[in-house]
Amino acid sequence: QKEVEQDPGPLSVPEGAIVSLNCTYSNSAFQYFMWYRQYSRKGPELLMYTYSSGNKEDGRFTAQVDKSSKYISLFIRDSQPSDSATYLCAMSVSGGSNYKLTFGKGTLLTVNP
Amino acid sequence: KAGVTQTPRYLIKTRGQQVTLSCSPISGHRSVSWYQQTPGQGLQFLFEYFSETQRNKGNFPGRFSGRQFSNSRSEMNVSTLELGDSALYLCASTSDLGRDTFGSGTRLTVV
Repeated sequence: QKEVEQDPGPLSVPEGAIVSLNCTYSNSAFQYFMWYRQYSRKGPELLMYTYSSGNKEDGRFTAQVDKSSKYISLFIRDSQPSDSATYLCAMSVSGGSNYKLTFGKGTLLTVNP
Repeated sequence: KAGVTQTPRYLIKTRGQQVTLSCSPISGHRSVSWYQQTPGQGLQFLFEYFSETQRNKGNFPGRFSGRQFSNSRSEMNVSTLELGDSALYLCASTSDLGRDTFGSGTRLTVV
């Protein structure tokens, strides 16, 4: 079993839809949870960074962490064509600079105008 | 503030050759990590350097190596290239708060 599982999609939605992206993980030592967005031919860009269980909101994006279920989600409200990208979840054990990220394989999202 | 700079952007090498990739982190960031991204395996951690010392290493063979200089710039080297080494190699510069900023990567093709 991989440490982090993420449905690769692809996911196609109409503009304005609410998008739900999810990851599950098996390592209960993970404490820090991130979502990255990666456009074609670009490096990943950090969208959300969370530490504890619960919700964190930033504009149209909401990250949810449920440590008891080992499940994290990213919600995108009022999706836009510019949101079309690959979304990667990532996790780490330590939050300091002495750590490594373990990534899901990414979900390819297309938002159609 | 300048971002993370990786050079070259694209590279084509022949099996058996070696390659060196370069990464210049964000000014003030002392930690640099390297990742390999392939369609089959996704993003996988290679190694992390902090103040010229390798602190963490992923599960890659010894053909993959790296180093960091006193100005925090980092290089990674792959020797005896194999077809399976074809990938996007990403460098991440980590702030003291633990936030990673990635470069655009070096696309390596081994033929």
